[in-house]
Amino acid sequence: EAQVTQNPRYLITVTGKKLTVTCSQNMNHEYMSWYRQDPGLGLRQIYYSMNVEVTDKGDVPEGYKVSRKEKRNFPLILESPSPNQTSLYFCASWTASTSGYTFGSGTRLTVV
Amino acid sequence: ILNVEQSPQSLHVQEGDSTNFTCSFPSSNFYALHWYRWETPKSPEALFVMTLNGDEKKKGRISATLNTKEGYSYLYIKGSQPEDSATYLCAFLVSTLTFGKGTMLLVSP
Repeated sequence: EAQVTQNPRYLITVTGKKLTVTCSQNMNHEYMSWYRQDPGLGLRQIYYSMNVEVTDKGDVPEGYKVSRKEKRNFPLILESPSPNQTSLYFCASWTASTSGYTFGSGTRLTVV
Repeated sequence: ILNVEQSPQSLHVQEGDSTNFTCSFPSSNFYALHWYRWETPKSPEALFVMTLNGDEKKKGRISATLNTKEGYSYLYIKGSQPEDSATYLCAFLVSTLTFGKGTMLLVSP
């Protein structure tokens, strides 16, 4: 089944403790992206990658890092999480076609 | 940051009503306009990808139109059903996808 897999689905952590949210897609898509969703603010892009070893900042990249060493994986790294990074995170992948983005199931992160 | 506006913010209709939402986007440098349906706690699912001015797409009771010259797209739902209750997102694609804040639709039986 074609899908984007995010892990974990839920995470509660403490301020300053480094964490990684994994994202993997099995569709050979070139493009991958991370979004965060906050009430009243909609989906905002954090980082995106157009292919292996190519990453770019989105609208809200501060406090996040990403890497794209392989086509299928696009992990999101929070080196020193803070409470304002409490949010619902979505990974998505896409290939240039008439299809839309495929989203992962989401990761609900709480930083206390 | 590109500005993608959706209206209304929320909508409450009765089963059987037809309804429509608006998405406005920058009319310059157009590449594509996406519509998604998001029923929490699931993830957003693509409804339509529209690329040509005057494009009209349909999926069952849901259809969408596109005007790239004036920078707007409409999403129509004919004969709304309770299972249509969701948030409908539009997104503007240039090099990357910028989302509007969505229209939350509630359909009461």
